[in-house]
Amino acid sequence: ETGVTQTPRHLVMGMTNKKSLKCEQHLGHNAMYWYKQSAKKPLELMFVYNFKEQTENNSVPSRFSPECPNSSHLFLHLHTLQPEDSALYLCASSQEPGGITEAFFGQGTRLTVV
Amino acid sequence: GENVEQHPSTLSVQEGDSAVIKCTYSDSASNYFPWYKQELGKGPQLIIDIRSNVGEKKDQRIAVTLNKTAKHFSLHITETQPEDSAVYFCAASRNTPLVFGKGTRLSVIA
Repeated sequence: ETGVTQTPRHLVMGMTNKKSLKCEQHLGHNAMYWYKQSAKKPLELMFVYNFKEQTENNSVPSRFSPECPNSSHLFLHLHTLQPEDSALYLCASSQEPGGITEAFFGQGTRLTVV
Repeated sequence: GENVEQHPSTLSVQEGDSAVIKCTYSDSASNYFPWYKQELGKGPQLIIDIRSNVGEKKDQRIAVTLNKTAKHFSLHITETQPEDSAVYFCAASRNTPLVFGKGTRLSVIA
């Protein structure tokens, strides 16, 4: 256990569906991140939250909508996705934003868009 | 922005042999270089990291070396074991969110 929990572990959704991914960290960290992991590609940073405020949006399409109600919880709301959005979505947290402290990852949500 | 290249993409070694994975980075201001291991069905986990004021760091069977002049850093695993089989990612940062390489799939053959 890394202290970062993601639910659900697997999700299959149609292109017209709306679903949400959830991430919770029990480490008392101040920064949380969403990454997308596709086959044969580097981990792609999507969003960064620092003390509940979004500090980075890495040119992510608006069909992905993040929400950070508090420092321990992070959501990724999904709507009208495309098949190419199928991937492993990883949540991470760190004590401080940026890369100066260790990032702890959850186990990810395997998303399949049909 | 930062760009990280990682080689090789796949690596097979016999149990007991050494494995070396290499990464290059583009931003000379990057100052933090972690290595993550991702096992099947799990998220990446930090195994070792190095900062720009250090040239080498070792932790039991794993070591990382950093050449700031050449802008490259390497992961060395000695006496490999089957449980070392996983995907390894390097990353670089200059006090910004980590930029990752594409990963290396290491297979240790018993």
